[in-house]
Amino acid sequence: SYELTQLPSVSVSPGQTARITCSGDVLGENYADWYQQKPGQAPELVIYEDSERYPGIPERFSGSTSGNTTTLTISRVLTEDEADYYCLSGDEDNVVFGGGTKLTVL
Amino acid sequence: QVQLQESGPGLVKPSQTLSLTCTVSGGSISSGGYYWSWIRQHPGKGLEWIGYIYYSGSTYYNPSLKSRVTISVDTSKNQFSLKLSSVTAADTAVYYCARAAGRWLQLGYWGQGTLVTVSS
Repeated sequence: SYELTQLPSVSVSPGQTARITCSGDVLGENYADWYQQKPGQAPELVIYEDSERYPGIPERFSGSTSGNTTTLTISRVLTEDEADYYCLSGDEDNVVFGGGTKLTVL
Repeated sequence: QVQLQESGPGLVKPSQTLSLTCTVSGGSISSGGYYWSWIRQHPGKGLEWIGYIYYSGSTYYNPSLKSRVTISVDTSKNQFSLKLSSVTAADTAVYYCARAAGRWLQLGYWGQGTLVTVSS
């Protein structure tokens, strides 16, 4: 299928670890990206090819994939990490973003 | 540093064609190696991938929009453009242009986005 499913929201306290998941059949054979979007701003690439950190992204951000689920992990969460996070993947037939997960840092 | 800037009308009437241009600076489209993309975001909603064009002119569109979308490139002006025909209110969105390093993936550089409202 060409749907990428994300939980609408995740909440963590500062200093904790946040895990944001993205699930879909297309992930079984194709790479995924993760994007961070703060209010009023364009998205920014955080993770590409499932687990590669984009230049300038803190080491606190990491990605992994198992089967049809890809996970963005943010360690030692800071208040500045509060944002919407979107996964992206696709193939020759379609390209889709996940619905997005709002990370709230309490 | 690569920069992208969207431009075009902020208001389009229903049934007309939405036209936007993305001007690239700090890098040449004709150098190849990157895919010049359009993405949109409906107000308060998630991201929707529209399509991309390579400098050679090859394109790949979202199947749900394919019948209405045309993306073109003008390497002499270092610009690429989006046309979306027969628009309705459902096409009201912020439209972003971006540069992808991996066909539809690795959208590493984005424009600031431009809001297009479809209304009579």
